[in-house]
Amino acid sequence: AQSVAQPEDQVNVAEGNPLTVKCTYSVSGNPYLFWYVQYPNRGLQFLLKYITGDNLVKGSYGFEAEFNKSQTSFHLKKPSALVSDSALYFCAVRDSGSARQLTFGSGTQLTVLP
Amino acid sequence: GAGVSQSPSNKVTEKGKDVELRCDPISGHTALYWYRQSLGQGLEFLIYFQGNSAPDKSGLPSDRFSAERTGGSVSTLTIQRTQQEDSAVYLCASSLADGGVTEAFFGQGTRLTVV
Repeated sequence: AQSVAQPEDQVNVAEGNPLTVKCTYSVSGNPYLFWYVQYPNRGLQFLLKYITGDNLVKGSYGFEAEFNKSQTSFHLKKPSALVSDSALYFCAVRDSGSARQLTFGSGTQLTVLP
Repeated sequence: GAGVSQSPSNKVTEKGKDVELRCDPISGHTALYWYRQSLGQGLEFLIYFQGNSAPDKSGLPSDRFSAERTGGSVSTLTIQRTQQEDSAVYLCASSLADGGVTEAFFGQGTRLTVV
């Protein structure tokens, strides 16, 4: 079975400071990892993904994430937070062996304070 | 269409009634997912369709829930004898059938309220 954990329900950061949203995963094979963002009353928007190759992946709106196989983590980062980054963030995983269901974490509410 | 389309966007129904939620995926996407998101919660997987393969129904919470996908395109999620705990946002997503490397694209969701 595959699973995703987002250990923080809420992350607060001051505007201009770096932000990190944590994600750890569990799969039996190799992971395909994704980050999505959800703004209020909106659907989920894709931010970035890790499939293979370079452990640091860059995505939309200045976000990046680092894949760490030994720690089974895929934390989302941004060097300088904006108030407009405030939203609900979801990490998701697929097992490359099954490539079927996309399993999501419980989400982390990011609030960037002006 | 340009994106995943879901209808209706909002649905209010009385307890005990049946409801049908529709999802029109991106053209050419053979993988289709249904998720449920309760207020302030994460995404709960419901069902997954992939081409002509048997759907993965492992996430359906009870036999009151069913889904079909006609002609490999449009999907309908049906909830029979709705209960108040069925109130949630139902999200549909689609993706290419490329071994799972392509991200899923989500619709705006259907907000279901059972009164």
